[in-house]
Amino acid sequence: DQQVKQNSPSLSVQEGRISILNCDYTNSMFDYFLWYKKYPAEGPTFLISISSIKDKNEDGRFTVFLNKSAKHLSLHIVPSQPGDSAVYFCAATRFNNAGNMLTFGGGTRLMVKP
Amino acid sequence: NAGVTQTPKFQVLKTGQSMTLQCAQDMNHNSMYWYRQDPGMGLRLIYYSASEGTTDKGEVPNGYNVSRLNKREFSLRLESAAPSQTSVYFCASDRQGAFGELFFGEGSRLTVL
Repeated sequence: DQQVKQNSPSLSVQEGRISILNCDYTNSMFDYFLWYKKYPAEGPTFLISISSIKDKNEDGRFTVFLNKSAKHLSLHIVPSQPGDSAVYFCAATRFNNAGNMLTFGGGTRLMVKP
Repeated sequence: NAGVTQTPKFQVLKTGQSMTLQCAQDMNHNSMYWYRQDPGMGLRLIYYSASEGTTDKGEVPNGYNVSRLNKREFSLRLESAAPSQTSVYFCASDRQGAFGELFFGEGSRLTVL
């Protein structure tokens, strides 16, 4: 059973508008969450993260929101650009020293139309 | 600026054949990981190595073995390949303190017929 789920396999957005990517998790022990971005034929790259002690983290056009009671996080991209077209994975983990064992969601393919 | 290098990038095997995926990082990272990516499943951890000389199972270790040859290199071996192991394999590493921020290689696409 997947502990991290991204229920939208794909999302299409017009350039300049907001993109909202959603992620749900079931394991209440997760206390650190991340988003990764992946272009075709490349490995995923780290985008942004958030600790469970926060409910929001911003980095330029990217903001991640965390709702612990709902076990839900979202990634907002404003404004969306064609170069943002990629697959986005959310990931979750427990903050410990045994290694960064991330549990990933299935990914959402974002298409930003010019 | 190589980062994490994986070889080979593509491989086709017949059922029952064996092969080793190689991974090397030049960032002096302590921890290294092997993930597989399947459609709709995201990335799933196969094995990881928190430091040189140690390895541990991840979520889907069956059918795989690993070797942390030294601090730079972490290999993944399929002893008897099965069609269910058709996937894209990613090696990753991270540095102490950069929690959750993995650096991934470009991936190795493996097809088992």
